[in-house]
Amino acid sequence: QKEVEQNSGPLSVPEGAIASLNCTYSDRGSQSFFWYRQYSGKSPELIMSIYSNGDKEDGRFTAQLNKASQYVSLLIRDSQPSDSATYLCAGGGATNKLIFGTGTLLAVQP
Amino acid sequence: DAGVIQSPRHEVTEMGQEVTLRCKPISGHDYLFWYRQTMMRGLELLIYFNNNVPIDDSGMPEDRFSAKMPNASFSTLKIQPSEPRDSAVYFCASRMGRNQETQYFGPGTRLLVL
Repeated sequence: QKEVEQNSGPLSVPEGAIASLNCTYSDRGSQSFFWYRQYSGKSPELIMSIYSNGDKEDGRFTAQLNKASQYVSLLIRDSQPSDSATYLCAGGGATNKLIFGTGTLLAVQP
Repeated sequence: DAGVIQSPRHEVTEMGQEVTLRCKPISGHDYLFWYRQTMMRGLELLIYFNNNVPIDDSGMPEDRFSAKMPNASFSTLKIQPSEPRDSAVYFCASRMGRNQETQYFGPGTRLLVL
């Protein structure tokens, strides 16, 4: 069973802090990884993608990938209350399918 | 572009009834995905199409579920007969080409089976 695992949270951080969201995956054939943000009652929206080992930065977001450890993370700097949402990690491979984790609920406290 | 369109947005039905969910993908997208999301199981892929052809339906839970894509701009997911455990949010997503980064989700259909 190919899985993507996330801690369901909630992860609570104060406004302005760094939020660190983590994800592990079991399929070594996974080549691409994605972080989706999902507000309550809304659909998932893509915020970051990463394909190579290392870090990828986009504004306040940094995605990190370590294929040897089968580990993906998302850092959100200067967290804002508007960042409060569920963050879904997804892995993709040659099958055209994305395998999603169950998501981590992030709560940024004002 | 209007994005992925799904209807209805909410559906309440009784056990045993037939339910049909509809999806219009983004124009020009050649991949269409149907997902189901529940608190317990998260977001699960049910089936996906490429150029209107079903490619992988291994996620379809039972024979009660069926999906069709008669043309590039329309797809349906049907549940017959429906059961309370089918209650979930059903998302349709579409994508252009093999680049998984271009997958866009519709607003979802919230289904409640009583």
